[in-house]
Amino acid sequence: EVQLVQSGAEVKKPGESLKISCRGFGYSFTKYWIAWVRQMPGKGLEWMGTIYPGDSEASYSPSFQGQVTITADKDLNVAYLQWSSLKASDTAMYYCGRQYYYGSGSQRRFDIWGQGTLVTVSS
Amino acid sequence: QSVLTQPPSVSGAPGQRVTISCTGNGSNIGTVYDVHWYQQLPGTAPKLLIYGNNNRPSGVPDRFSGSKSGTSASLAISGLQAADEADYHCQSYDSSLRAWVFGGGTKLTVL
Repeated sequence: EVQLVQSGAEVKKPGESLKISCRGFGYSFTKYWIAWVRQMPGKGLEWMGTIYPGDSEASYSPSFQGQVTITADKDLNVAYLQWSSLKASDTAMYYCGRQYYYGSGSQRRFDIWGQGTLVTVSS
Repeated sequence: QSVLTQPPSVSGAPGQRVTISCTGNGSNIGTVYDVHWYQQLPGTAPKLLIYGNNNRPSGVPDRFSGSKSGTSASLAISGLQAADEADYHCQSYDSSLRAWVFGGGTKLTVL
């Protein structure tokens, strides 16, 4: 079965660092982009950034550039999202999603989603 | 403020038909980029519902349909069922922002 499995919920204090993960199963992990998507409490979905595990090339939303770092380990079939210094405003559910590329240019849909990782930042 | 605009909520009685709109502009929906729709049941991750404006993944009932015209897109759900209560999100790509963008989500209530 094709699936993405994310790491468990985290509770952190402001200023702490954090790295959450997303592991792919059942498909060739290096051939599909993996994106990270934020959902703040009661709000919509926001694309944060994307990585191509085959060569670890990453791109970021202007809203999240410099705020997070996205990496991947193709030998472990894992993508990561990390923060160096968390803020209370980072409290949210974070989803990874597989971006299925078709057509041309940036035609991609999110066809497989992880179950989500809840990050709570509170003093 | 989301780049794509959706109504915060819609409602309908069982068996009825509802539509959810998704409005963009000439940098996203008004271009060659397709619109996709996701269903998010309470407490769960989003799931792809409609792709490429009007295509259903395997397993999605034909009660769900999508369309795109100009700078807007719509999701229609016919024969409403209680199990359809969920949040629905539209998504496209914005060539000016160079970003994949979503709507703010629409909460569907089945009365």
